[in-house]
Amino acid sequence: GENVEQHPSTLSVQEGDSAVIKCTYSDSASNYFPWYKQELGKGPQLIIDIRSNVGEKKDQRIAVTLNKTAKHFSLHITETQPEDSAVYFCAASEHGTASKLTFGTGTRLQVTL
Amino acid sequence: DGGITQSPKYLFRKEGQNVTLSCEQNLNHDAMYWYRQDPGQGLRLIYYSQIVNDFQKGDIAEGYSVSREKKESFPLTVTSAQKNPTAFYLCASSMVGQGAYEQYFGPGTRLTVT
Repeated sequence: GENVEQHPSTLSVQEGDSAVIKCTYSDSASNYFPWYKQELGKGPQLIIDIRSNVGEKKDQRIAVTLNKTAKHFSLHITETQPEDSAVYFCAASEHGTASKLTFGTGTRLQVTL
Repeated sequence: DGGITQSPKYLFRKEGQNVTLSCEQNLNHDAMYWYRQDPGQGLRLIYYSQIVNDFQKGDIAEGYSVSREKKESFPLTVTSAQKNPTAFYLCASSMVGQGAYEQYFGPGTRLTVT
């Protein structure tokens, strides 16, 4: 089955700096890679996703890159703000009739003033 | 308001008791999922269902049971056979079919068994 590894487990950056979180996956059949943000005591929310037919996707301050050959993908947050502080999860899925996601272990991002 | 509701937010049970967690969605999604979240371990899939009256085991199904009698509802029962049931439980739903990927999560239920 799929195995997703995520690094780092914790990340502290100063407000305005960039943050990068990296994930690797094992199953070359995986073709969908979402990133979720989870605030304390709440359910995860999708912030960006990428499919295997593209190498990069950007949405305002957030971008995701995908390297299918190396089987890794990364989340980039620029101009970080205190409200970006949360736990971020990457995931991978092989497309089927239902999206069976395998999640990474999460990165706790803290943006300090 | 469309979304997923889970109740209750906090649940306390004594060891040896079965407990059922509720999950309801009004997004008209065909697929529903249950995950367990433990500190430092991310989300692990317990069960999922793509259609009414059908469901499949996920990676950690032992000690859990589900039913899917209605499209909107996917209750999870944590049985006394689950050796370490204290955790944060998340329900999610998604569309099914070509291009249908995003899973929408509920707010979660924190279960404590003593």
